[in-house]
Amino acid sequence: GAVVSQHPSWVICKSGTSVKIECRSLDFQATTMFWYRQFPKQSLMLMATSNEGSKATYEQGVEKDKFLINHASLTLSTLTVTSAHPEDSSFYICSARVQGTSGSEQYFGPGTRLTVT
Amino acid sequence: AQSVTQLDSQVPVFEEAPVELRCNYSSSVSVYLFWYVQYPNQGLQLLLKYLSGSTLVESINGFEAEFNKSQTSFHLRKPSVHISDTAEYFCAVSYNQGGKLIFGQGTELSVKP
Repeated sequence: GAVVSQHPSWVICKSGTSVKIECRSLDFQATTMFWYRQFPKQSLMLMATSNEGSKATYEQGVEKDKFLINHASLTLSTLTVTSAHPEDSSFYICSARVQGTSGSEQYFGPGTRLTVT
Repeated sequence: AQSVTQLDSQVPVFEEAPVELRCNYSSSVSVYLFWYVQYPNQGLQLLLKYLSGSTLVESINGFEAEFNKSQTSFHLRKPSVHISDTAEYFCAVSYNQGGKLIFGQGTELSVKP
């Protein structure tokens, strides 16, 4: 099946610094990837839709200047949390859309746990 | 607007007992329905999905879910659970295949020996 990886799996950074998270589709090309965040014991909330070669589409309430998304190739999307603060600490999960014979489907990465101190 | 409600935040159950995790959705248009499972500190894995056709869908590990349009529900069931089924389960809806997913709040299934 389709495999999506994320790097790093966890990261600790100091308040005010920036952190980049990578999402890769390992055995398929994905024109569309999605970024979610999940707070402890809560559901996933879609942050943005990342489209290869174009600007990301952000959900209402998500600061596009704080959460920079770049989808430079068909196998890689990156999320950069700029000037991170403790309230940005969360579990960030990406997914990639793949087209199959029975329609398209999202495959999820293992997630990246960000802790801002 | 679409929304998904999982009525139970936690479901404790003994091993080999049956379980039902409830999911209701609201939408004015047709939707696609999904159940995902998340083990601790991991991403989501697709458990099963309803796109069209038969309203009863099954997974390879014994779970099944039935789409009930009149009740706008997509409850997940398993006749006999195992310790290894302990995880968080999320119900989700989408307007189109592979499109934006809207998740429910999640249900923590805890299977005890």
